Amino acid sequence: SAVISQKPSRDICQRGTSLTIQCQVDSQVTMMFWYRQQPGQSLTLIATANQGSEATYESGFVIDKFPISRPNLTFSTLTVSNMSPEDSSIYLCSVVRSLGSNEQFFGPGTRLTVL
Amino acid sequence: GENVEQHPSTLSVQEGDSAVIKCTYSDSASNYFPWYKQELGKRPQLIIDIRSNVGEKKDQRIAVTLNKTAKHFSLHITETQPEDSAVYFCAATSANQAGTALIFGKGTTLSVSS
Repeated sequence: SAVISQKPSRDICQRGTSLTIQCQVDSQVTMMFWYRQQPGQSLTLIATANQGSEATYESGFVIDKFPISRPNLTFSTLTVSNMSPEDSSIYLCSVVRSLGSNEQFFGPGTRLTVL
Repeated sequence: GENVEQHPSTLSVQEGDSAVIKCTYSDSASNYFPWYKQELGKRPQLIIDIRSNVGEKKDQRIAVTLNKTAKHFSLHITETQPEDSAVYFCAATSANQAGTALIFGKGTTLSVSS
C-alpha cells in the first residue's frame, strides 16, 4: 500500500475561517478522493480530486465550500471554507494506486473542531 | 446513485464464536465490494475485498461472499479474537465519473469479549 500523510493531523478553528488540509503520497497514484467522517458516523465521499482539472463533487458538496486542488499525481489539498461548528469532523484522503486497481487506501485523517 | 445498507449496527460475540455482517447495495452496475476495519482513532484499513465476477473469497479467518442477483454481500469472521473488536464498514463502487469512488455502509461495531 502507499504511504499517505495528511497535514495537519488536527486543528481547532474559529467559525468563519478556512482551513486547508494537505494529502501527500510517497508515489504517484491514479486516483485521489476526499471523505468526511463525522463523529461516530460512516465515511461520506466529498469529491474526487482530478489531476489538472476541477474536482468532481458528490451531491450535497460544492466547490465554493470545499475547494480542492490536485496539481500532480502525489499531492492534493482540501479547503474547508467559511467554517461552522457543523463542519467539525474528520477529513480523510484516500488513493487508488494504479489503473485497473480498485483497492483504496486511506490517509490518517485530519480531525477538525470548529468553535 | 448507489446506496449501501449494513446490518447489524452492533454485534457482540464471545471469543471463538463467528461473526457475520451483511450489506445490500442498490446499483447493479457496482462491481467492487471492499470491507474496512476501523479501530478507535485510526484510519480505515482494507481487510478484504471481492469483485463482481467472484462469489466468495477467503483470507485466513475472514471471508466475503457476494450474491449479485440479490445484490448483497457479507463478511464472515471465524474464531473471533478480542483484537477483532472494531467498527467494520462495507462499501460498493459508485457509478460516478471516476468509477472507483466508494459508497460506504453505516458501519457495524463488533465487540468480542474474552
